[in-house]
Order: sequence, then C-alpha cells, then structure tokens
Amino acid sequence: KQEVTQIPAALSVPEGENLVLNCSFTDSAIYNLQWFRQDPGKGLTSLLLIQSSQREQTSGRLNASLDKSSGRSTLYIAASQPGDSATYLCAVPGSNDYKLSFGAGTTVTVRA
Amino acid sequence: GAVVSQHPSWVICKSGTSVKIECRSLDFQATTMFWYRQFPKQSLMLMATSNEGSKATYEQGVEKDKFLINHASLTLSTLTVTSAHPEDSSFYICSARDLDTYSNQPQHFGDGTRLSIL
Repeated sequence: KQEVTQIPAALSVPEGENLVLNCSFTDSAIYNLQWFRQDPGKGLTSLLLIQSSQREQTSGRLNASLDKSSGRSTLYIAASQPGDSATYLCAVPGSNDYKLSFGAGTTVTVRA
Repeated sequence: GAVVSQHPSWVICKSGTSVKIECRSLDFQATTMFWYRQFPKQSLMLMATSNEGSKATYEQGVEKDKFLINHASLTLSTLTVTSAHPEDSSFYICSARDLDTYSNQPQHFGDGTRLSIL
C-alpha cells in the first residue's frame, strides 16, 4: 500500500522568502505525482502534475521536482507572498488503478 | 476546461436525515469518479470509486449501506449519506477522470461539500 508523507506539517515564513515543501512516497512505481493547493474550507486546486518520466515541472513561481528512485518530490515556491498561505498536498495514483493516495499536507503561512 | 461541479457546497440538517451530494463533470465525460472524506486538519481519505453503469467499489471500513453511490451517467455521480448522524459531519470531495485521457493524466476535483449534522 502506498504511503505518502509530507514534511514539514506546518511552515511560517516572512514574505519574499522561498518555500521548500517535501513529499515522500513508499512505492516508486507511480504514473505521476500531483501537487495541490487547498484553502481553508475549500476544495483542491491542482498546481502541478509531474509525469513519471519527468524530473521537474514549472509553472510561474512554482517548481516541482521528482526523484522516483528515491521516492521523493519537492515543491519550490519562489518569492512567497501572503496569498500563498494555504495547505499544500501531494498525491500519487496507485500502480494498478487511479486511486490517489494523499499526504497529510503542509500548511503554509506567509507573513506580510 | 475539465471542470467538476459539486452541489451543494454546504448542508446543515437534523440527525436522521438523508443527504444527497451531486458531482458533475461539466465539459468532459467521466467513467470513473472518486469520493473522498476530509476531517478537520486531516488529509483526504478515499471512500469509494464510482463506476458508470456498475456498482461502486468501497474502501475498507466504509459502510456501503450508509454511503450510497449512484453513477447513472458519464457526467453525474451522487453520494447519499443515509440517516445521517453527527459523526457523519465532514467535508466531502469528489474527483473525476476524463474518459478521453490516458492513465497518466490528472484527476479533476470538485469544490467540496461541507456537511453538518445537528
């Protein structure tokens, strides 16, 4: 069974600082890995999806890397802003189905 | 594109009431939809996989008679919480896979339904 772990559980930084969020998974036979953002009381917004053949994916200030062999992904957010405050979740689908296994998330607070 | 609409967004009702939540794929067809449950400050836990035209597949520990799932068309799945009790209060989120995409494409999520049972 896939286990997904996210460290740290919470992070508080001053505005402008770069953010580094970590995600690890136990079964490296994955199709892809997805990063989501969740605001309090809201659904999920997909941020980035990295295919198993890719090593990184970028979108604006966001950059996600993937090291399948070691079972790790890192989400970098450059020049953080108060609007980046949210919970960030990573998820991977099963090797035989499309069921997503989620990490517990990292709650980010960017102080103005 | 790839929008999933979930309705209602918030429900408050009395204990013993049955509540239906709808999940619609607005601009794509979805043979498979997923239902998740999220408790405060916790991550999403998969409850069941909803398959169009067939019975849903429930995860271990999820009562299928309590959480009825119907996926009658390629764009609509419903979750009915039967005889809801306060312990059923939670945030329920659905997701859908686009029929026309490969297995390595993302799932699309609804905005969630907050269910509060008094």
